[in-house]
Amino acid sequence: DADVTQTPRNRITKTGKRIMLECSQTKGHDRMYWYRQDPGLGLRLIYYSFDVKDINKGEISDGYSVSRQAQAKFSLSLESAIPNQTALYFCATSDRDRYEQYFGPGTRLTVT
Amino acid sequence: SQKIEQNSEALNIQEGKTATLTCNYTNYSPAYLQWYRQDPGRGPVFLLLIRENEKEKRKERLKVTFDTTLKQSLFHITASQPADSATYLCALDIIAPRGSYIPTFGRGTSLIVHP
Repeated sequence: DADVTQTPRNRITKTGKRIMLECSQTKGHDRMYWYRQDPGLGLRLIYYSFDVKDINKGEISDGYSVSRQAQAKFSLSLESAIPNQTALYFCATSDRDRYEQYFGPGTRLTVT
Repeated sequence: SQKIEQNSEALNIQEGKTATLTCNYTNYSPAYLQWYRQDPGRGPVFLLLIRENEKEKRKERLKVTFDTTLKQSLFHITASQPADSATYLCALDIIAPRGSYIPTFGRGTSLIVHP
């Protein structure tokens, strides 16, 4: 089984809808991250969490919120989706004593 | 302003040659620099991390150099193979609240190895 899983893998939704993307990990890592990737813009950090009680905004947090339900689970919500949130979203984890990140397979989100 | 620059043009090379990818940065003082590989539609995969006080790091056919004076890292793949074709991302680890580090990614360079 994959160490970092994301659900759903693909989602098409309409403008104004609320949507949640979920991430689970079995690596036992404390730290979890949400990124979005757009063609030509690379990976940009949305939110990150260093432990269950810690949530931090990243470079582009406007329009998003997160919840760290447990060490292994970190979800990303779009309260009212808009078309420019169409992107590939990645969850990642890292260990507190090491800096390399482990990415999930991604969620392709389309907002029409 | 802060920038991480990776060549946006794809690098095309012949199988067996050494591929060299460049990561330049400005207005950053990273403590660590990482390289990742990303295949189309998939998540990045960690390859190598180099610290600011290290000049070079190797792993099998991969070599990374880090020059904090030039503000540049070079990523080399020796004896390249078509299977090495992918996009390669560099990431700078920047200090975050609580004294830890979070990575900031470059946009990546596509490598195409021709048989």
